[in-house]
Amino acid sequence: GESVGLHLPTLSVQEGDNSIINCAYSNSASDYFIWYKQESGKGPQFIIDIRSNMDKRQGQRVTVLLNKTVKHLSLQIAATQPGDSAVYFCAEKGGANNLFFGTGTRLTVIP
Amino acid sequence: DVKVTQSSRYLVKRTGEKVFLECVQDMDHENMFWYRQDPGLGLRLIYFSYDVKMKEKGDIPEGYSVSREKKERFSLILESASTNQTSMYLCASSLAGGIQYFGPGTRLTVT
Repeated sequence: GESVGLHLPTLSVQEGDNSIINCAYSNSASDYFIWYKQESGKGPQFIIDIRSNMDKRQGQRVTVLLNKTVKHLSLQIAATQPGDSAVYFCAEKGGANNLFFGTGTRLTVIP
Repeated sequence: DVKVTQSSRYLVKRTGEKVFLECVQDMDHENMFWYRQDPGLGLRLIYFSYDVKMKEKGDIPEGYSVSREKKERFSLILESASTNQTSMYLCASSLAGGIQYFGPGTRLTVT
């Protein structure tokens, strides 16, 4: 299967600071990527996606950057809030319908 | 809003029991998926289905089977539960090639 890795398993940030969560992928042919957020006791929630014909996409307080040259994906969260504390997964599309998930980064927001 | 529901949030079963996990989605999605989630291993795909009565093996199908008799419902079956199947089970659904939306998960403990 595809290899989707996260650079750090945990990340702690001060409330109000920006957070950056990184992800590496291995298949240079991958054309679609998704970031999910999983809060404790809940299923993963879609945050934002990006196709390989883009290098940046912005949502509300979140930005995803895609660097195809080094096969790297990052999620930036602006003005991080306590409600952002969760595990964040990147996922890479493999095949027509499948996604391959990274192992996740746990973001802790310090008040 | 997409809604994916799972029949139980918590289940405790004995070794050797037959276990049914049910998933229902209300968005007329073609695709449905079953994952298991274990610490340090991320989400691993067990089976998926792209149409009624159709199924495809994922990365870890051994010890599991699935059933999709109706478009909105996808069942995961553990024919004879074992302790190594203790895990969080997540169901997801999507349109063809689209974003996967997850249910809240079922935490299964096999004793």
